[in-house]
Amino acid sequence: AQSVSQHNHHVILSEAASLELGCNYSYGGTVNLFWYVQYPGQHLQLLLKYFSGDPLVKGIKGFEAEFIKSKFSFNLRKPSVQWSDTAEYFCAVRPVGYQKVTFGTGTKLQVIP
Amino acid sequence: DAGITQSPRHKVTETGTPVTLRCHQTENHRYMYWYRQDPGHGLRLIHYSYGVKDTDKGEVSDGYSVSRSKTEDFLLTLESATSSQTSVYFCAISESGSNEKLFFGSGTQLSVL
Repeated sequence: AQSVSQHNHHVILSEAASLELGCNYSYGGTVNLFWYVQYPGQHLQLLLKYFSGDPLVKGIKGFEAEFIKSKFSFNLRKPSVQWSDTAEYFCAVRPVGYQKVTFGTGTKLQVIP
Repeated sequence: DAGITQSPRHKVTETGTPVTLRCHQTENHRYMYWYRQDPGHGLRLIHYSYGVKDTDKGEVSDGYSVSRSKTEDFLLTLESATSSQTSVYFCAISESGSNEKLFFGSGTQLSVL
């Protein structure tokens, strides 16, 4: 069975700072990878995803993520955060050929104006 | 927003009573999921469905059952509610292919007293 680890549970940044959130997964086969965001009081929505090809993927609102297969990692980045990025961020993995989607425990990001 | 409706939105019940949560979609998506969200645990998969009458267990399925008699409806039943099942429950739907992503419902806040 697959699992997902997000080591940063709570991150506090000032506006304009750079962001990198870690995500590692454990699964021996091919996976599809996702980052979702949950703004306060809202349900989760997709930020970006990786299926194959260029390991650097770009998503909405200036976010990007890099898949490093050798490290089983899919870290989320943003060069300059805004107060409106305050939210909880979840990494998720789905093994190809299976439908079970597993989420990490999430990282709460607080951006201080 | 995708057409997903969860009902009820809020429920308070007593320990030992059965509870059924409903997820209804109008998107005709094949895959449906039930997650619970708890602080510090992120989203944990309870059960999922890959077609009518086709369901499988997730990582925290004990004490829960599901049914999917129609494409549009996915029911989650707590057979005998316990206080540890107090949580926010999210339904999600998905299709396969290049546009794959989970669409989430608005959630059900369940309190078991």
